[in-house]
This record gives sequence, C-alpha cells and structure tokens, in this order.
Amino acid sequence: DQQVKQNSPSLSVQEGRISILNCDYTNSMFDYFLWYKKYPAEGPTFLISISSIKDKNEDGRFTVFLNKSAKHLSLHIVPSQPGDSAVYFCAASVGNQFYFGTGTSLTVIP
Amino acid sequence: GAGVSQSPRYKVAKRGQDVALRCDPISGHVSLFWYQQALGQGPEFLTYFQNEAQLDKSGLPSDRFFAERPEGSVSTLKIQRTQQEDSAVYLCASSFRRDTEAFFGQGTRLTVV
Repeated sequence: DQQVKQNSPSLSVQEGRISILNCDYTNSMFDYFLWYKKYPAEGPTFLISISSIKDKNEDGRFTVFLNKSAKHLSLHIVPSQPGDSAVYFCAASVGNQFYFGTGTSLTVIP
Repeated sequence: GAGVSQSPRYKVAKRGQDVALRCDPISGHVSLFWYQQALGQGPEFLTYFQNEAQLDKSGLPSDRFFAERPEGSVSTLKIQRTQQEDSAVYLCASSFRRDTEAFFGQGTRLTVV
C-alpha cells in the first residue's frame, strides 16, 4: 500500500520556467515532509523539508507547499536550470520511518 | 568523512551466497536507516537504529536479512542465502535525530545472479 504517491513519472520544463512537482499522501499522521533529489548512481540528496505545522517553506529557488486538508505536497523550482535535471522523491515521516514516493524525473531543457 | 559512506558500491553475488553491506554514517548522527530501492521505485524502509538499538525492523523482507550497529556508529546489513529478488540498491541514511532530515550514502548495488 503506497502511502506516498508521485503520479507523474516524468516532467519536462524549459530553462527559466517554473517546475512544479507534486506528491500526494494518504496517512494523516505524517508530521514531516521532505524532498530529495537524485542523480544517477548517487544516493538521494536532501533538498528541502516542511513540518506539518507549516504550509510553506522557501529556500532560494525551491519552495515546498503543504496542503494538509488535501494531503498534497508540491515542490516549486523557479527559475529552473539544466542542472536541476534529476529524479525528485518526496518523502513523509511518522515515527521512525520515512515513506518515499516513486519519484518524478525532471528534465530541464536548455 | 563528511558524508555517509557505503561499501562496496557494487556487489555481484551468486544465488545462495551470503553478503554483508557496510555503512559509515555521519559522525554524531544518532539515527541510522537502511532502505532498499528496486529499479524504478522509491526507497523502501528496511530498518532503523537509534544508536546501537535496533528500534524498528518491520521492513526487513525475510529472516534472511539481518542488520546490526554494535557500537552505535558503523552498521552492517547482512543478507543470507541471497535470492534474485534481493537484487536492488541498498541505501543507508543517517540523521542527527529521528525527526530531522536524513542524509543518504551512494548506495550499494547488489546483483544476484
């Protein structure tokens, strides 16, 4: 049973435009949410996080939005750069465990 | 080192062989996690340590999988009598506390032939 879902396996965006990656979850007990970025042959790299008590967290070009009523999380990257091309995983935490989505492959076209 | 280190990076094992995967977490990180990532999937939780205590092993797929962290730092994931379905990337992550972001190693890609 997939508790964290990323329904878009891939996304292509022009350089300079906004990239929006989406994530849905089912467990209302999740209290901490994260986005990870992964390049081929490397482990996931932490990008940004948000606590369930907030609805927005911003770090430079990256902003994460949390809509608890909709159980929806999104990552906005603006402006998108070619170096942002990677697989992005959202993750949600409750207790000792982090639950990951299946990832969205982002391609930023120069 | 500055990050989480895993070894070996790649391991090819014959079916039935035992393997041991090593994880060196970031110094001072209390929490350590093991994940299994199959091709095209997100990481799946295997087990969690707080210092040397294995507090959660609910994700271990069978009793062939065993993990330890005897001194609260380095951890080893052991898979006995490997099967083809064990082929995956095994990721180790550590965090300062349970509820902070986890930092991942590069993973060990295990291929069982």
